[in-house]
Amino acid sequence: DAMVIQNPRYQVTQFGKPVTLSCSQTLNHNVMYWYQQKSSQAPKLLFHYYDKDFNNEADTPDNFQSRRPNTSFCFLDIRSPGLGDAAMYLCATSSGTGKTINSPLHFGNGTRLTVT
Amino acid sequence: QKEVEQDPGPLSVPEGAIVSLNCTYSNSAFQYFMWYRQYSRKGPELLMYTYSSGNKEDGRFTAQVDKSSKYISLFIRDSQPSDSATYLCAMSSSGGYNKLIFGAGTRLAVHP
Repeated sequence: DAMVIQNPRYQVTQFGKPVTLSCSQTLNHNVMYWYQQKSSQAPKLLFHYYDKDFNNEADTPDNFQSRRPNTSFCFLDIRSPGLGDAAMYLCATSSGTGKTINSPLHFGNGTRLTVT
Repeated sequence: QKEVEQDPGPLSVPEGAIVSLNCTYSNSAFQYFMWYRQYSRKGPELLMYTYSSGNKEDGRFTAQVDKSSKYISLFIRDSQPSDSATYLCAMSSSGGYNKLIFGAGTRLAVHP
């Protein structure tokens, strides 16, 4: 029944080794988000796609990139992971019209990234 | 100063207790207020959504917004062990669910 599916649930990568996290959705939502959540901290928005339009947050490091090849899939690429990038990465979806997001965010269960 | 402040807890209560969870905020433009519940190793799920001031009730849950004090609350009546989770408040100023700002969450443990 999962509507926002993130793979893998756990990912271990080495310092500096590129890693890709994936998210798929069955809700046909036009907005997809990537959040970073560190232990006991608030989820932090990295970027979101409104349809095909990519919206980067001003303080998102260049090390983080995203791709959305179609409505259902979105990827988070971390080009050179550092120890500080260890976190839970949450994908979320929503629907919007006219630049207003008018449905609740549906979150996946996250990918926990460990950097060794 | 963070835009949204939330006591991290943990808050430990016996089953059946009334729980009060709170957030304060600094941005007077916030008008949309939400509470999310996050179980361990899961993503957040929306519990309650309110617009502007006032109360909203849904079963055992009541959300309260006091814009004059920049303070929001979530009350849980007859708390159950299954309510044990982290509760995140979230807010938005720009309409609907745009640009949500989350609190860091309060960890709640309800023991039998």
